[in-house]
Amino acid sequence: DAGITQSPRHKVTETGTPVTLRCHQTENHRYMYWYRQDPGHGLRLIHYSYGVKDTDKGEVSDGYSVSRSKTEDFLLTLESATSSQTSVYFCAISEQTGSYNEQFFGPGTRLTVL
Amino acid sequence: GENVEQHPSTLSVQEGDSAVIKCTYSDSASNYFPWYKQELGKRPQLIIDIRSNVGEKKDQRIAVTLNKTAKHFSLHITETQPEDSAVYFCAASRGSARQLTFGSGTQLTVLP
Repeated sequence: DAGITQSPRHKVTETGTPVTLRCHQTENHRYMYWYRQDPGHGLRLIHYSYGVKDTDKGEVSDGYSVSRSKTEDFLLTLESATSSQTSVYFCAISEQTGSYNEQFFGPGTRLTVL
Repeated sequence: GENVEQHPSTLSVQEGDSAVIKCTYSDSASNYFPWYKQELGKRPQLIIDIRSNVGEKKDQRIAVTLNKTAKHFSLHITETQPEDSAVYFCAASRGSARQLTFGSGTQLTVLP
């Protein structure tokens, strides 16, 4: 658990404001992921990264952007937050042993958009 | 893309009984199937996984079975205890996709 941290852990913001969430890892893993978790929907992939400056879209990427300038940090940005983006956001990391994709999650960030 | 369906959405069992959660997947190329446990307010934790080259895997009181022909896999928990109460998520992935697709979760409640 100590290998992945997220900041902030809680945030309340207003509609239309920009928000950036940070995921930091000390495991030197290649792959990093951002998910959102909403009741009844499980975990849905927003964006993921397969290396520094290498990112790709997931299932629910509209309204979100990401950046990865260092192996250890993966940032998720909501350019103009909306109430539909109120959610719990989880970061995950993976080294992808062989062809499998074991992912380990950070503690989460609870975001409320008023 | 991959679609994973999970049933039931809620499950209540008496302490000591067994619990079974089932998932189906759509992509026949999927080859990795993990299960996560999430306690209230906590992060999802990987509890067991199975790869497509085996049909069953056990770890103490939990086991997972995989039927590739029918494209479904199941989590079995025996001798349930109150600390097993949590939300359980299944997921599926194929190696080249690098992504996990999750089911919608099962709230398991173990009654004392």
